[in-house]
Amino acid sequence: DAKTTQPPSMDCAEGRAANLPCNHSTISGNEYVYWYRQIHSQGPQYIIHGLKNNETNEMASLIITEDRKSSTLILPHATLRDTAVYYCIVRVGSGGSNYKLTFGKGTLLTVNP
Amino acid sequence: NAGVTQTPKFQVLKTGQSMTLQCAQDMNHNSMYWYRQDPGMGLRLIYYSASEGTTDKGEVPNGYNVSRLNKREFSLRLESAAPSQTSVYFCASSEEGRELYEQYFGPGTRLTVT
Repeated sequence: DAKTTQPPSMDCAEGRAANLPCNHSTISGNEYVYWYRQIHSQGPQYIIHGLKNNETNEMASLIITEDRKSSTLILPHATLRDTAVYYCIVRVGSGGSNYKLTFGKGTLLTVNP
Repeated sequence: NAGVTQTPKFQVLKTGQSMTLQCAQDMNHNSMYWYRQDPGMGLRLIYYSASEGTTDKGEVPNGYNVSRLNKREFSLRLESAAPSQTSVYFCASSEEGRELYEQYFGPGTRLTVT
């Protein structure tokens, strides 16, 4: 699985968009980008995933650059409840025998009032 | 739907004691996982089970055993607890589709070994 690099921490004002970057310069053609988050003391929660097109769901948007070497998770209107550690994970989507998700240290997003 | 449930929520053990962490899911998922998370660290995979009757080692399996009792339940056993096993343990499950590895996590078990 490709390695990812994320900033250790970011701040965002409540109500503003939060843009969380992730670098994955060694990503392979069949690897997807997944985002999870972990609110303090809880289990991680899936947010969104994508291969090469931009994706949007009720929680967030995922923008993947054309060369797929980096991506940005966007929370359009951050709230205090979005304060969490956000993990960017790159791995193949299906098949093979390796089922694990590799969680790095992620980015601690703090949403301030 | 309760999702993924874990028991107990908290546990304190003395070095050398044994215990079993229980996990159950009601989403009819084939795959189940056990992770541990140490303070300030990301999650590390201990064991996983791709389907009922199969289990495989993850990154940090030493000191642990697992049992996939049936499709719903996946337990983690510490035979002789050590202080290095003080951690938060998360169970997860997933149903692999063509491109989705969405794992659903339980609330965690906070284990302290003294």
